Amino acid sequence: SAVISQKPSRDICQRGTSLTIQCQVDSQVTMMFWYRQQPGQSLTLIATANQGSEATYESGFVIDKFPISRPNLTFSTLTVSNMSPEDSSIYLCSVEEGRRGTEAFFGQGTRLTVV
Amino acid sequence: GQNIDQPTEMTATEGAIVQINCTYQTSGFNGLFWYQQHAGEAPTFLSYNVLDGLEEKGRFSSFLSRSKGYSYLLLKELQMKDSASYLCAVGANNLFFGTGTRLTVIP
Repeated sequence: SAVISQKPSRDICQRGTSLTIQCQVDSQVTMMFWYRQQPGQSLTLIATANQGSEATYESGFVIDKFPISRPNLTFSTLTVSNMSPEDSSIYLCSVEEGRRGTEAFFGQGTRLTVV
Repeated sequence: GQNIDQPTEMTATEGAIVQINCTYQTSGFNGLFWYQQHAGEAPTFLSYNVLDGLEEKGRFSSFLSRSKGYSYLLLKELQMKDSASYLCAVGANNLFFGTGTRLTVIP
């Protein structure tokens, strides 16, 4: 199984600023995903990070707010832009090995607090 | 669309058995997953069912009925460290997660 390193592990940010979260995988993976987990809730998929093309966003998430980079098969970044307190959440990077919609492995998450 | 239901909270006694149910309606199906998530940590994989029946892995077992859109996770010989959220997830074109069941194990 893939080993995923995500950083920062936590941050406290001022509203109106942006934070970029990095996700590094120890092997080449086709599919990388970004999830959000708001307090007391389950995981919601933000987008699929596609290598060499624009990310695919789920309903309710847009590129201007959550720009994503995927420069190669082992690395991706998610930026949370123009933050507000409503963006306070845990953000998780994930990879799936094999067919889409199969077992997911998660990074340790980034706990973001916007003040 | 996707819909996954599981109880919000459950409490059980140390040493006992607990069953966490999950019902789902999804378009497409690659399998049913259970994840464990301790507070403040990332989810970790517990089990995977793609065919009907029971999969046993130590103290944890998971059951699937595709015709009924139903699964359960069975935890035996509960330990205090089993206190966590248990997430049911259905693989389709993406992986869709239920809201999770927060299990509290009491002495």
